[in-house]
Amino acid sequence: GAGVSQSPSNKVTEKGKDVELRCDPISGHTALYWYRQRLGQGLEFLIYFQGNSAPDKSGLPSDRFSAERTGESVSTLTIQRTQQEDSAVYLCASSGTSGSQEQFFGPGTRLTVL
Amino acid sequence: GEDVEQSLFLSVREGDSSVINCTYTDSSSTYLYWYKQEPGAGLQLLTYIFSNMDMKQDQRLTVLLNKKDKHLSLRIADTQTGDSAIYFCAGRGSSNTGKLIFGQGTTLQVKP
Repeated sequence: GAGVSQSPSNKVTEKGKDVELRCDPISGHTALYWYRQRLGQGLEFLIYFQGNSAPDKSGLPSDRFSAERTGESVSTLTIQRTQQEDSAVYLCASSGTSGSQEQFFGPGTRLTVL
Repeated sequence: GEDVEQSLFLSVREGDSSVINCTYTDSSSTYLYWYKQEPGAGLQLLTYIFSNMDMKQDQRLTVLLNKKDKHLSLRIADTQTGDSAIYFCAGRGSSNTGKLIFGQGTTLQVKP
């Protein structure tokens, strides 16, 4: 497809379980970002990948959160031992090499931890 | 770190102009963006402005940037009911990662 896609669109899990969220960026985009949006709030930066450089993990809230990206393709965000405060929409974005580095967002994965 | 602040709510009548305001703290932000989020949908980039510009106009949208006061505004002319959404301003962080720092969003309500 032409846009950023994410799966699943919705995920309901029990507290303590691990979850894995997937992002397919726009083909050819070298940069990929993960953000979290809690209900009624703005987006919080989580992690950023740029090509083969070391990722910027400065936004990850705890060591339960991790992300991987293979080359310039798919990325997965993993949350281990989920907590209720992890409930949010997780948004992925990708950007190319234009001067403005415009980020194109996917539709998000809504995570609910019971 | 950078902080971006927005008013939370704005209500206007259809056909009026809407002005959504944003303030930011990081003067080194090179680009400032406005995104629109409709219910249940992802974020859509509306427009952006480079930090060496004072104004940018794109059809019904006008962005004004006051670098001295670190103030950004988005004006929507002839506001329509379809403009009802949450509007986020965002600045590129001062690091080289390109991560965006978002405001908390302004809910625009357009009354018929």
